[in-house]
Amino acid sequence: NAGVMQNPRHLVRRRGQEARLRCSPMKGHSHVYWYRQLPEEGLKFMVYLQKENIIDESGMPKERFSAEFPKEGPSILRIQQVVRGDSAAYFCASSISGQSYGYTFGSGTRLTVV
Amino acid sequence: QQQVKQSPQSLIVQKGGISIINCAYENTAFDYFPWYQQFPGKGPALLIAIRPDVSEKKEGRFTISFNKSAKQFSLHIMDSQPGDSATYFCAASSNAGNMLTFGGGTRLMVKP
Repeated sequence: NAGVMQNPRHLVRRRGQEARLRCSPMKGHSHVYWYRQLPEEGLKFMVYLQKENIIDESGMPKERFSAEFPKEGPSILRIQQVVRGDSAAYFCASSISGQSYGYTFGSGTRLTVV
Repeated sequence: QQQVKQSPQSLIVQKGGISIINCAYENTAFDYFPWYQQFPGKGPALLIAIRPDVSEKKEGRFTISFNKSAKQFSLHIMDSQPGDSATYFCAASSNAGNMLTFGGGTRLMVKP
């Protein structure tokens, strides 16, 4: 019974490149959330998705960031034209019900922009 | 309105001592208050959570105390152990939303 799987665990990108972060929710979970953790800070909500739908993207930067959760396959967080300030740990969580008390977090993807 | 403020940022406790971490919130719509434990290189894991209809919840060595009128809640770790050394985050959410608002984290070190 695998937990929330995120890959890659570590990702290094040069400024201007694209970063694609993947998240496979727990079996039976159809709600996915992305959070960003800057160094020495708490997690900040980015986006909440259900299969094929973005429910709440109020925490997503207006430019360069996008997320999807297709009918088949993992959820993808895409960052275009990365800048040094995008360096952070990106965590995905999933839940069955869509309620915050049902969250299970993955181990995260650590993005470093050089 | 959405902030959760956590203190201290770091804490050093001797083995067997009591670790106390405090959080304060502003949004009176918050009605779920979890604490997460995070080890280096790992994601946050739910430790214990409370709703505002009770003032205290205890699970093993971990206790949440909740003060609704002061809009504050705290985590107490009794008989702290070196294995408790981790970063602890408080968080809050409201039934109307699906997102968690996190505090800034407390890095706890328990010395043997």
